[in-house]
Amino acid sequence: EVQLVESGGGLVQPGGSLRLSCAASGFAFSRYWMHWVRQVPGEGLVWVSRIYNDGTRTGYADSVLGRFTISRDNAKNTLYLQMNSLRDEDTAVYYCARDKRPGHYGSGIFDLWGQGTLVSVSS
Amino acid sequence: DIQMTQSPSSLSASVGDRVTITCQASQDINIYLNWYQQKPGKAPKLLIYDASNLEAGVPSRFSGSGFGTDFTFTISSLLPEDIATYYCQQYDNLPQYTFGQGTKLEI
Repeated sequence: EVQLVESGGGLVQPGGSLRLSCAASGFAFSRYWMHWVRQVPGEGLVWVSRIYNDGTRTGYADSVLGRFTISRDNAKNTLYLQMNSLRDEDTAVYYCARDKRPGHYGSGIFDLWGQGTLVSVSS
Repeated sequence: DIQMTQSPSSLSASVGDRVTITCQASQDINIYLNWYQQKPGKAPKLLIYDASNLEAGVPSRFSGSGFGTDFTFTISSLLPEDIATYYCQQYDNLPQYTFGQGTKLEI
């Protein structure tokens, strides 16, 4: 089955760190760009970060630049998001999403999503 | 950054109605516009990509059109299972991918 499964969410204090994982199965993970998108409960979708299929390039939303790091292990078919210096406003459900077009150039079309993992930042 | 303005923010319609949602970009984004459906407690689902292309497996009652700054998403005949929030999303300005604020569709 083609799927993405996130894990690693939970409750963390402001200033703390958390690492999210996204396990991919059923498709050639190493061929696809991957993204993280978050959603504050009851609010809209916000793109967070992207990584090329080979991990050579990354991109971040201004709101997380310098605090979050996206990475991947293609041998383990797993995407990661290391979140440091967490703030109250980082509280959200975090989704990993696959970019629709395989290969080096990707796109910006998110055709496969995980179920999400909730990150709560609170003292 | 490119801003995406969706309207309306909420919409009440009846089964069988034709429903239209619009999305306006703050600058020209060519055809780089996608539409997603999100049901409560679920992940978003891709419906339309590149403004007018129907994703595989998505019913043909869903359609999209537009180019440049003005885009339209249409459900030709509303079904009860279409109750959801719909989002547009641009990908012209990489790597900044921007979503609209969403349109909550109710019956």
